[in-house]
Amino acid sequence: DAEITQSPRHKITETGRQVTLACHQTWNHNNMFWYRQDLGHGLRLIHYSYGVQDTNKGEVSDGYSVSRSNTEDLPLTLESAASSQTSVYFCASSEDRSKNIQYFGAGTRLSVL
Amino acid sequence: AQSVTQLDSHVSVSEGTPVLLRCNYSSSYSPSLFWYVQHPNKGLQLLLKYTSAATLVKGINGFEAEFKKSETSFHLTKPSAHMSDAAEYFCVVSAKGRRALTFGSGTRLQVQP
Repeated sequence: DAEITQSPRHKITETGRQVTLACHQTWNHNNMFWYRQDLGHGLRLIHYSYGVQDTNKGEVSDGYSVSRSNTEDLPLTLESAASSQTSVYFCASSEDRSKNIQYFGAGTRLSVL
Repeated sequence: AQSVTQLDSHVSVSEGTPVLLRCNYSSSYSPSLFWYVQHPNKGLQLLLKYTSAATLVKGINGFEAEFKKSETSFHLTKPSAHMSDAAEYFCVVSAKGRRALTFGSGTRLQVQP
């Protein structure tokens, strides 16, 4: 079955370190998204990509970057981790632009100490 | 611009009684509307979607939602709650042709035995 997987599921890091969260989907979807989930805020969009070599900033992109070198992967990098980036991160993908049904990974819980 | 307001952060019902989770939206464009469910420590799962076909939308697990343009509402209902319905529910809006989703802050549904 096609799926979307995130790794690691849990990560603890220190302030100032660079961290990369992986997202891999096997649906061959063009559209991929990264969100963060914090209490009282629902999910907020960090970055998104509509295809290979395409990346766009979302609502809360400061301190994060993404790259899209192939269809399957959209890694999220925290350049210099800050305590404010402690959160649960979700990756999602979608195929159909008009229906925009997004399929989510299981999430990565990141703690920055 | 688009936004979503979930009117209740917590809802508690008894098993076997009806469920009502309220959602109002704002969108400059003709919207697509979704309800997603998140069980503890899990990713998000699509419950149902509205994309301008029938205004009453049926989803999985007996849930349904009605799109009311005049009230800008998209409330989620279920006739009879089950213990397994206990979860966090997110109302989500996207403008047609735009791939980014805007999430509400979520409603935690508690089901009492």
